[in-house]
Amino acid sequence: AQSVTQLDSQVPVFEEAPVELRCNYSSSVSVYLFWYVQYPNQGLQLLLKYLSGSTLVKGINGFEAEFNKSQTSFHLRKPSVHISDTAEYFCAVSEPAGNKLTFGGGTRVLVKP
Amino acid sequence: NAGVTQTPKFQVLKTGQSMTLQCAQDMNHEYMSWYRQDPGMGLRLIHYSVGAGITDQGEVPNGYNVSRSTTEDFPLRLLSAAPSQTSVYFCASSSRTGSMNTEAFFGQGTRLTVV
Repeated sequence: AQSVTQLDSQVPVFEEAPVELRCNYSSSVSVYLFWYVQYPNQGLQLLLKYLSGSTLVKGINGFEAEFNKSQTSFHLRKPSVHISDTAEYFCAVSEPAGNKLTFGGGTRVLVKP
Repeated sequence: NAGVTQTPKFQVLKTGQSMTLQCAQDMNHEYMSWYRQDPGMGLRLIHYSVGAGITDQGEVPNGYNVSRSTTEDFPLRLLSAAPSQTSVYFCASSSRTGSMNTEAFFGQGTRLTVV
């Protein structure tokens, strides 16, 4: 069985400041890792994914994440946030051979002017 | 390009009523799934399908039924609605290239309230 823990339920941050959202996972097998973003009253949109290869993954809208196998983490970062980054962010894992996603509880990011 | 389409967007049901949430995708994806989203719990898998005629249970299947008669459609049925089923429901689809999964594409969600 897999599990995902997002360590912060809410993260307030000022505009143009950096932000880091933490994600740790547990799995007995190798996994694929994802970050999704949900804007208010919208569905989920893929920000980035790690399947294999380089542990630093770049995504859309200036976000990046680093896979750390020894710490079983996949933290999301952005060096300078905008008001438009206000949203809920979800970390998720899946087994490479399957399509079932296991999600963390989500982190709400509120960007303040 | 429509992607994944869910209907309705909002629904209020009385306890004990039944209803079907519709989901359709136009990307010819083999894999479709239903999740429910509850505050602080992320999204949890209800049922999924790896192709037409094949369905299986996810993490929280009780009270829900699904069928997959075509590649495009994957309806979710609530048999007898309960207040505990008040939630936002998302349908997702994805495909595979060789042995690797592609990303999951999500619909806009159905907000269901059971009173």
